[in-house]
Amino acid sequence: SQELEQSPQSLIVQEGKNLTINCTSSKTLYGLYWYKQKYGEGLIFLMMLQKGGEEKSHEKITAKLDEKKQQSSLHITASQPSHAGIYLCGADDTDKLIFGTGTRLQVFP
Amino acid sequence: GAGVSQSPSNKVTEKGKDVELRCDPISGHTALYWYRQRLGQGLEFLIYFQGNSAPDKSGLPSDRFSAERTGESVSTLTIQRTQQEDSAVYLCASSLVGVRGYTFGSGTRLTVV
Repeated sequence: SQELEQSPQSLIVQEGKNLTINCTSSKTLYGLYWYKQKYGEGLIFLMMLQKGGEEKSHEKITAKLDEKKQQSSLHITASQPSHAGIYLCGADDTDKLIFGTGTRLQVFP
Repeated sequence: GAGVSQSPSNKVTEKGKDVELRCDPISGHTALYWYRQRLGQGLEFLIYFQGNSAPDKSGLPSDRFSAERTGESVSTLTIQRTQQEDSAVYLCASSLVGVRGYTFGSGTRLTVV
């Protein structure tokens, strides 16, 4: 079965700093999804990547899928306290999403 | 409804009791998913319903766990004889078709004491 590994598990950054979260799959990815979760809330969809080499941006968040379609990165530029939360990558696995282990991001002033 | 609704939002139960968790999907969404999220961990797939097809139960951790869904409406996840390791947030998601357009509920936080 497919497995997703995220790194780092936890990240604490100062406001204004850039950061990157990685997601590595044990198999080729046919759809990679990034979600954000705030404490006590459900998951909010951020972006979906499908093609090798694809890159998408929304506001200060950029997600990339490598050419081999086994690794994705999520990059946040000039982080803000509002970026704090848990970031999860998800992969399409036979009509359902399986998720990575999550990365907890804290941003301090 | 406007979003996926889960109830209760919090549940504390004694070890050995049965619990029922409810999920109201977005109207018209044919697919419904249940996930478990233990403290500090990612989401663990439990079960998937798609229309009137047989559910994908491959993620249910033991026979104490079961779920039902009538047509394309409400689903209930039942945990029998709860154990402390069942303590987690149980998340439900629905989608119109397949994995695109997943919408998550806010979850039910289950604590077994």
